[in-house]
Amino acid sequence: NAGVTQTPKFQVLKTGQSMTLQCAQDMNHEYMSWYRQDPGMGLRLIHYSVGAGITDQGEVPNGYNVSRSTTEDFPLRLLSAAPSQTSVYFCASSSSAGGDGYTFGSGTRLTVV
Amino acid sequence: KQEVTQIPAALSVPEGENLVLNCSFTDSAIYNLQWFRQDPGKGLTSLLLIQSSQREQTSGRLNASLDKSSGRSTLYIAASQPGDSATYLCAYEPTGTASKLTFGTGTRLQVTL
Repeated sequence: NAGVTQTPKFQVLKTGQSMTLQCAQDMNHEYMSWYRQDPGMGLRLIHYSVGAGITDQGEVPNGYNVSRSTTEDFPLRLLSAAPSQTSVYFCASSSSAGGDGYTFGSGTRLTVV
Repeated sequence: KQEVTQIPAALSVPEGENLVLNCSFTDSAIYNLQWFRQDPGKGLTSLLLIQSSQREQTSGRLNASLDKSSGRSTLYIAASQPGDSATYLCAYEPTGTASKLTFGTGTRLQVTL
């Protein structure tokens, strides 16, 4: 079982560059979400989706865009990278029935210089 | 703002001890509460999920309880082993807020020989 797959695992960007973090799940989960993890601040929600074609903002959405064209994929786009976006990014998915909880990907470690 | 507090922030115990990790939250309208384990530089691994209608869940040496009225959850680890060394995170999904988890900042556990 692949679960939630995130690519790339590591990335270094220069300030102002754009990039897309990929997230795919093979569990037919309706819910998908993106979090960032920073030292001392825990995981914070960036954007989330409750189904294909539906997205919404979380706690820290500024500087990020998302789209959900299929159930399986939920890419996160950094429009113009800033040093403050240096973080570890996690994608998660869950079923709308809620019985199995959330499954997380292995993360993308992003450094913006 | 919904908050999750995990106490203690760090804990070091000798192998074989039983221990309790605490998680407290301000929101009583909980749909699910989930405990995760995170090894350094790795993703989140789900340990236990407690749904709102449940009071506890058990898996092997792990037992998690949920008391919504007091806003507390505890993770009990029996007969700790060096392999249990990791950061333990609790997170809850508020009722009516699909696809959104609120995380604590974690307890960093070290089990020594």
